Amino acid sequence: SQQGEEDPQALSIQEGENATMNCSYKTSINNLQWYRQNSGRGLVHLILIRSNEREKHSGRLRVTLDTSKKSSSLLITASRAADTASYFCATDDDSTLGRLYFGRGTQLTVWP
Amino acid sequence: DTGVSQDPRHKITKRGQNVTFRCDPISEHNRLYWYRQTLGQGPEFLTYFQNEAQLEKSRLLSDRFSAERPKGSFSTLEIQRTEQGDSAMYLCASSPAGYNEKLFFGSGTQLSVL
Repeated sequence: SQQGEEDPQALSIQEGENATMNCSYKTSINNLQWYRQNSGRGLVHLILIRSNEREKHSGRLRVTLDTSKKSSSLLITASRAADTASYFCATDDDSTLGRLYFGRGTQLTVWP
Repeated sequence: DTGVSQDPRHKITKRGQNVTFRCDPISEHNRLYWYRQTLGQGPEFLTYFQNEAQLEKSRLLSDRFSAERPKGSFSTLEIQRTEQGDSAMYLCASSPAGYNEKLFFGSGTQLSVL
C-alpha cells in the first residue's frame, strides 16, 4: 500500500491565488519529496525536505514537515495556469533502501 | 538530451503477447528504478538496480515480469503473456549514488493491452 496520501484529491483555483496541498504518511522517514506530473508525462522533482527540517523554500514553493504529525504541506504562491498538474508527495522507508512511496496525488487546476 | 529516455512512448498489444520496454538513464547515475502507474494513482515501485545488480523487487513484479540492466547502463523491462491488467504507464527513473537522492523520471511508456 502507498504510504503517502495527499489531500485534497482535486483543487481548482484562479491564477494569482495560493494553492495548498497536504500529505500524510504512516511510518518514520528520512526525507519527504514533492513531485509534479503533467498529464501523460513523467514526474519532475520539485523539492526535498529532510526529517530534521521543518520548512523549506524554493522559488514560489514552500514546504513544511511535521514529523510528530507525520504530515507535510506544499504551498504554491501566486499560482499560474502553467502550474496545472498533478502533485505527489513521496516518502522513503528507512527499512528499505531505494524505494519511494507515492500517494495518489492532488490534481491542481489553475484557471486563467 | 541528457535526461532519462524511454522507448517506446506508447505500446498497444494483444493479450498474451510479450512486450519489452527500454530505459536509458542519465549516464552518471548508477541507480535505476522501474515504477508502474495506473490512471488516478501514484507510481508504484516495481524494481531497483544499483549498477547491474537488481537489489529489490516488489511483490507486484510477478513471474511474468523480468528486468535487466546489463553492464549497468540501459535497462529493459519485459512482460510475458500480457494481461489487460498490465495496462499502465511504466516509468523509469534514475538517481546518482547516495542515499535517498531525488529521482529523475523519463516520460514513461504507456502500455495498452487489448
